[in-house]
Amino acid sequence: EAQVTQNPRYLITVTGKKLTVTCSQNMNHEYMSWYRQDPGLGLRQIYYSMNVEVTDKGDVPEGYKVSRKEKRNFPLILESPSPNQTSLYFCASSFVGAAKNIQYFGAGTRLSVL
Amino acid sequence: TQLLEQSPQFLSIQEGENLTVYCNSSSVFSSLQWYRQEPGEGPVLLVTVVTGGEVKKLKRLTFQFGDARKDSSLHITAAQPGDTGLYLCAGGKGGTSYGKLTFGQGTILTVHP
Repeated sequence: EAQVTQNPRYLITVTGKKLTVTCSQNMNHEYMSWYRQDPGLGLRQIYYSMNVEVTDKGDVPEGYKVSRKEKRNFPLILESPSPNQTSLYFCASSFVGAAKNIQYFGAGTRLSVL
Repeated sequence: TQLLEQSPQFLSIQEGENLTVYCNSSSVFSSLQWYRQEPGEGPVLLVTVVTGGEVKKLKRLTFQFGDARKDSSLHITAAQPGDTGLYLCAGGKGGTSYGKLTFGQGTILTVHP
């Protein structure tokens, strides 16, 4: 089954404790992206990757890191989480191509930073 | 700065009514997508439009891309309770900005039986 898998689904942590949210896709997509969703703000792009070892900043990259060492995986790293990073996070993937930028989303990771 | 303004933010209607959701921007997009999201799940793509003036129909849903590719609308005919959810528009750009997808704030639709 074609899917984007995020782990964990729920995470409660404390300020400053490094964490990683994993994302994996099995569709051989070149493109992967991370978003955060906050009430009234829709989804805002954090980072995206056009292919292995190619990453770029989205609209809200501060406080986040990503890596793309393999095509299927795109982890999101919070080196020193802060309460303003409490949010619902989504990973997405797609093929690259003007009419093919159809993004498939994971089920989301709800993060609370205390 | 919200580049895509979606309206209305909330919509509560009775079953059988028609509705339209708007997505407006001052920017030109190479593609415009509409997603639907249900609680506890990620957004799911409904449609992608790429040509100015394009109209696509998906059963009771009609999507339109503005001639100048700056705005879009989603029209639902004879809404049903199963249409309840969060509707999101998203604009994509090509060239060196390919990959950057900008979302509207979303429209929460509730259809009452």
